[in-house]
Amino acid sequence: NAGVTQTPKFQVLKTGQSMTLQCAQDMNHEYMSWYRQDPGMGLRLIHYSVGAGITDQGEVPNGYNVSRSTTEDFPLRLLSAAPSQTSVYFCASSRGLAVYNEQFFGPGTRLTVL
Amino acid sequence: SQQGEEDPQALSIQEGENATMNCSYKTSINNLQWYRQNSGRGLVHLILIRSNEREKHSGRLRVTLDTSKKSSSLLITASRAADTASYFCATDSGETSGSRLTFGEGTQLTVNP
Repeated sequence: NAGVTQTPKFQVLKTGQSMTLQCAQDMNHEYMSWYRQDPGMGLRLIHYSVGAGITDQGEVPNGYNVSRSTTEDFPLRLLSAAPSQTSVYFCASSRGLAVYNEQFFGPGTRLTVL
Repeated sequence: SQQGEEDPQALSIQEGENATMNCSYKTSINNLQWYRQNSGRGLVHLILIRSNEREKHSGRLRVTLDTSKKSSSLLITASRAADTASYFCATDSGETSGSRLTFGEGTQLTVNP
């Protein structure tokens, strides 16, 4: 099993550009989530999904969209990139709800917005 | 503000010593989890302890939970240089659906050879 994969590993955007961060898992996990990690602030939840076709907002959803058309994939879209979105983005998945299950994390995408 | 807060922010010890990290939280929880993050990598799950458990072991790791004090501790015994990493606690966010996990800011552990 590849586990949780994320692409790209690094990305540089200009302010106003849009892009999609890809996340896929091959463990048939129902729950998937996106976090951003900034220095000194831990991980903050952006969006999450409890199953295909179901998504919900986390702590910091503004400026991001998600969709979950399949169990395996959970892409994160930046609509109009801003310097404040410079961060490291992690995708995670688990068999069930996050609070009750071990989270499996991807390797992260380091995004810089100029 | 974060539900879970780790203490200390940074810890430096010698190989072979024990390392203790603490996590405090504000609202009642169902479970508490500990994760490790090596530099430049994703987080790796270490232990999940339920609110009705007081202590849990996994290899050189020992986690305690005191719900009356709303705190947890992670003890790493006989530390190794490879234990150098950031350690995070994660808890319920205070809402009841179980969908949201809230992470603290982490403790940076350095184990010197």
